[in-house]
Amino acid sequence: EAGVTQFPSHSVIEKGQTVTLRCDPISGHDNLYWYRRVMGKEIKFLLHFVKESKQDESGMPNNRFLAERTGGTYSTLKVQPAELEDSGVYFCASSQDRLRTTSGNTIYFGEGSWLTVV
Amino acid sequence: GDSVTQMEGPVTLSEEAFLTINCTYTATGYPSLFWYVQYPGEGLQLLLKATKADDKGSNKGFEATYRKETTSFHLEKGSVQVSDSAVYFCALNAGNQFYFGTGTSLTVIP
Repeated sequence: EAGVTQFPSHSVIEKGQTVTLRCDPISGHDNLYWYRRVMGKEIKFLLHFVKESKQDESGMPNNRFLAERTGGTYSTLKVQPAELEDSGVYFCASSQDRLRTTSGNTIYFGEGSWLTVV
Repeated sequence: GDSVTQMEGPVTLSEEAFLTINCTYTATGYPSLFWYVQYPGEGLQLLLKATKADDKGSNKGFEATYRKETTSFHLEKGSVQVSDSAVYFCALNAGNQFYFGTGTSLTVIP
């Protein structure tokens, strides 16, 4: 079974340009998450999809970030226009069941998309 | 709010040394606790987890015990190997989100 796949693995863009990151979750996983790790800091939640619906987007830093999941399969995260502070690793994750605190459900992460804005 | 604090790195150990990476958490309610590992060039992988107080998670020789009284989930391994070199993240699950620590980079030298 294929895991969570992300594309591109690495991207270097100039400030002001646009970048689109793609995530393909594990087949059959309705729940899809985006996380981000800025260098040396903690991995932070960005948003959560259930199928094609945004369940929680409280972690999105500002309106330069747009996430979509049309059709409830793969998801894209667009940064437009990119700023220097957007550099970091963007992780996508998926799970079959919705997370519940006491259940110990885990989520499966992709390898991350490394974004460098220069 | 919910958060995780873990030991700052980097940590460098000789092969067969004992490893401890400290992790403490703040949470309302009773979260599930996790350790994730990121090997060079790879994604985050679940290493172990515990869902309630006094549970011990274990995998690949690593262990961590959910201590409610000290709000801790320290990661330990009795004898590390070069192949354990990676970045380790402590995390808790509260509701529909995971909260991660900053990560601890471990390098094991032969």
